[in-house]
Amino acid sequence: QVHLQESGPGLVKPSETLSLTCIVSGGATTTSNWWTWLRQAPVTGLEWIGEVHHSGTTIYNPSLESRLIMSVDNSKNQFSLKVTSVTAADTAVYYCARGSRDGYNRNWFDSWGQGTLVIVSS
Amino acid sequence: DIQMTQSPSSLSASVGDRVTITCRASQSISSYLNWYQQEPGKAPKLLIYAASSLQSGVPSRFSGSLSGTDFTLTISSLQSEDFATYFCQQSYTIPYTFGQGTKLEI
Repeated sequence: QVHLQESGPGLVKPSETLSLTCIVSGGATTTSNWWTWLRQAPVTGLEWIGEVHHSGTTIYNPSLESRLIMSVDNSKNQFSLKVTSVTAADTAVYYCARGSRDGYNRNWFDSWGQGTLVIVSS
Repeated sequence: DIQMTQSPSSLSASVGDRVTITCRASQSISSYLNWYQQEPGKAPKLLIYAASSLQSGVPSRFSGSLSGTDFTLTISSLQSEDFATYFCQQSYTIPYTFGQGTKLEI
């Protein structure tokens, strides 16, 4: 069974960079599929942040694009998220997930990590 | 961005009830619609993808459909473990967006 696990600091200071890693296990490898980051905050709800393909190609949410860096390390079966210049508005539970697609390019998130709370505060 | 609007925002029901949750997109999204279930303190779980396809391992009491511009998630006979929050999500265009959620309560 596919398992994803987020890791990273739970507290980040304003203006600094939020860094998270997602380790993939359970038989799945990052050499296929798209690998996605999402977040959830009480006010804004569920928000798609962006995704990275095993080739390294990225697709970002335009509202966050200028502050995002996503990457994948196929040798370690993990992928990463960096959000620069964070503010309190970036406080949320962050999830990593696997994206799957069909022949019509419809896609969905079929496996999720448990989520990790990141608080932005001095 | 495509806005996804779910109705109702909350719903009270009983075990054994048939329940329907509706999701409407601010523009046409064809069948690019997924449904997720989220229990408190847990990650969302995929139930339905591409509007009507049941995710592997999900009980058959869950179903999804498209009628005109409205997408519907139906639970045919509620079980106690179904009391949770349900979200729709469009994958028609970037950025992918979610509905605000429907909380299903006893």
